[in-house]
Amino acid sequence: AQKVTQAQTEISVVEKEDVTLDCVYETRDTTYYLFWYKQPPSGELVFLIRRNSFDEQNEISGRYSWNFQKSTSSFNFTITASQVVDSAVYFCALSEAITGGGNKLTFGTGTQLKVEL
Amino acid sequence: GAGVSQSPRYKVAKRGQDVALRCDPISGHVSLFWYQQALGQGPEFLTYFQNEAQLDKSGLPSDRFFAERPEGSVSTLKIQRTQQEDSAVYLCASSLGLSRAGANVLTFGAGSRLTVL
Repeated sequence: AQKVTQAQTEISVVEKEDVTLDCVYETRDTTYYLFWYKQPPSGELVFLIRRNSFDEQNEISGRYSWNFQKSTSSFNFTITASQVVDSAVYFCALSEAITGGGNKLTFGTGTQLKVEL
Repeated sequence: GAGVSQSPRYKVAKRGQDVALRCDPISGHVSLFWYQQALGQGPEFLTYFQNEAQLDKSGLPSDRFFAERPEGSVSTLKIQRTQQEDSAVYLCASSLGLSRAGANVLTFGAGSRLTVL
């Protein structure tokens, strides 16, 4: 069975600090996809990144960066110079292919990030 | 539409009542998903449609839960004889469904928050 663990329930930082959100996953599949989603107070899950299991290169997008390490089954997310607008719940998810070409996401329990002035 | 639209945003039901939650996916999206998100938890998969066909309903918690997508666009999640444990946010998501299985990026709606008294 697939499993995603986000051990950090809540993190509080002061604006401009860097913060890393941890994600550890379990799967028996050799090909899989990992995702990060952001859930602001409005409730809508916002897609941030998708990474496939064959691509271990780190990725940077503005103040966001992701570190994928297959050897430790981790897919960590770092926000550099955090801002108040980054305050949200962040979910890591693992994708499982299902019948008909769809994919079922297994989510972690999320990390609540609070960025204060 | 531009995004995934869900209605109602908030629903309060007395225990034993039936409820119907509506999802209007992005136009042209083949795949549609329902997820249930309990307070403080990550979303959990309920069911998946490809066009009008319900290909996976393994996540539906009981036979009181029923979903349909009769014309391959709008979907309705129906919960009969609601119980207090059904209180949660019900998220709908859609995707083009054209990518390799597992890779599809899901676009989520803002959810319908159900409270059962």
